Amino acid sequence: QSVLTQPPSASGTPGQRVTISCSGSRSNIGSESEYVFWYQQFAGAAPKLLIHRNDQRPSGVPDRFSGSKSGTSASLAISGLRSEDEADYYCATWDDSLSDWVFGGGTKLTVL
Amino acid sequence: QVQLVQSGAEVKKPGASVRVSCKASGYTFASYALHWVRQAPGQSPEWVGWITTANGNTRYSQKLKGRVTFSRDTSASTAYMELNNLRSEDTAVYYCARLVSSGNLDLDYWGQGTLVTVSS
Repeated sequence: QSVLTQPPSASGTPGQRVTISCSGSRSNIGSESEYVFWYQQFAGAAPKLLIHRNDQRPSGVPDRFSGSKSGTSASLAISGLRSEDEADYYCATWDDSLSDWVFGGGTKLTVL
Repeated sequence: QVQLVQSGAEVKKPGASVRVSCKASGYTFASYALHWVRQAPGQSPEWVGWITTANGNTRYSQKLKGRVTFSRDTSASTAYMELNNLRSEDTAVYYCARLVSSGNLDLDYWGQGTLVTVSS
């Protein structure tokens, strides 16, 4: 059971906007000094960095992907949904109580 | 181009040890720390720890501290992860990944993963 809670699944049709939530606590996401990171993972492949430092996109990541953080939660939004966005998405951050980096349970995104 | 190439799959018995290597190329090895992350079948990733390749400093997850050891050979641009006293729950794909900025988890390049299977 992860300390970061994500919905197990999300779905949308091409062109739609989808949001994936990541709920934590004051010892992780809710800590002002802790950033949230988002990773995208396709079946059989290594995770890929999608968002860093809450809302920053690495070069090469389309601006359809955006991240935000508020209080003890963070969100990943994908606009203009495309079939190639179908993947698993994970949030991650540092937990002050555990003294570990922690990942969310993951959200499987289906493009209908 | 930046590449992290890991050693091949391993099958081990409970109680045994395993060593996974991660060879870096395409950049200055000692300029970036490396994190290790594992992922059990059907599960989310789990952070294992990191090694500062410049000086060998390490930080391990609380769960695996005492059983896992990181090392590196800067002349070979290779990092190693050794996990001892293997248990069935250690069965997972183990990844090494390059850290972009200290104190964060922006891992920009990942190895292809090494499947470690622990079974009697």
